[in-house]
Amino acid sequence: SYVLTQPPSVSVAPGQTARITCGGNNIGSKSVHWYQQKPGQAPVLVVYDDSDRPSGIPERFSGSNSGNTATLTISRVEAGDEADYYCQVWDSSSDHPGGVFGGGTKLTVL
Amino acid sequence: EVQLVESGGGLVQPGGSLRLSCAASGFTVSSNYMSWVRQAPGKGLEWVSVIYSGGSTYYADSVKGRFTISRDNSKNTLYLQMNSLRAEDTAVYYCARVDTAMVAGYWGQGTLVTVSS
Repeated sequence: SYVLTQPPSVSVAPGQTARITCGGNNIGSKSVHWYQQKPGQAPVLVVYDDSDRPSGIPERFSGSNSGNTATLTISRVEAGDEADYYCQVWDSSSDHPGGVFGGGTKLTVL
Repeated sequence: EVQLVESGGGLVQPGGSLRLSCAASGFTVSSNYMSWVRQAPGKGLEWVSVIYSGGSTYYADSVKGRFTISRDNSKNTLYLQMNSLRAEDTAVYYCARVDTAMVAGYWGQGTLVTVSS
């Protein structure tokens, strides 16, 4: 089955840029989606199809995907961005397709 | 406005059964792909199951043969029948609408399932 690898944690000072990676075999050939989850809340989609933003998501959130790594970039980080972030792809390579999530990355705003 | 409201969670003994419901509004369940995703306490997200608009269903290996996803078109509601429950099934269960490129664009608030004696 397909595996997505994320760093457990990333720390950044307010106003700086946070980059959260998501590694997978030839992930550049897949559509990658990113979710933000704050404690006690349901996940919220922040980037879909590698680099598109749903309505209401600030332009500070962006994404890229190439080769074996997808990246979520958060510019001008704010205290309110502190959360867990998950990448996700759809694995259609087997006879039982399904969603695959990365292990999640905890973003800490120093 | 799209809304998803889960219900049916609770405490159940190992080996027991539970049925989760997800009432949808603002769109038609049968015209969309719908999924269940779970999150064990303190852990990450785990995809559980999907039902396509055409009715095909797929499951994670961890629940295959024990869980069944279904929908009631007249009630615009998604279900997850969970049998032979194990301690490791303890989690918050979310329903989600799956949009183009298989992205979970909308999520419910989740319902907690605790499997314990």
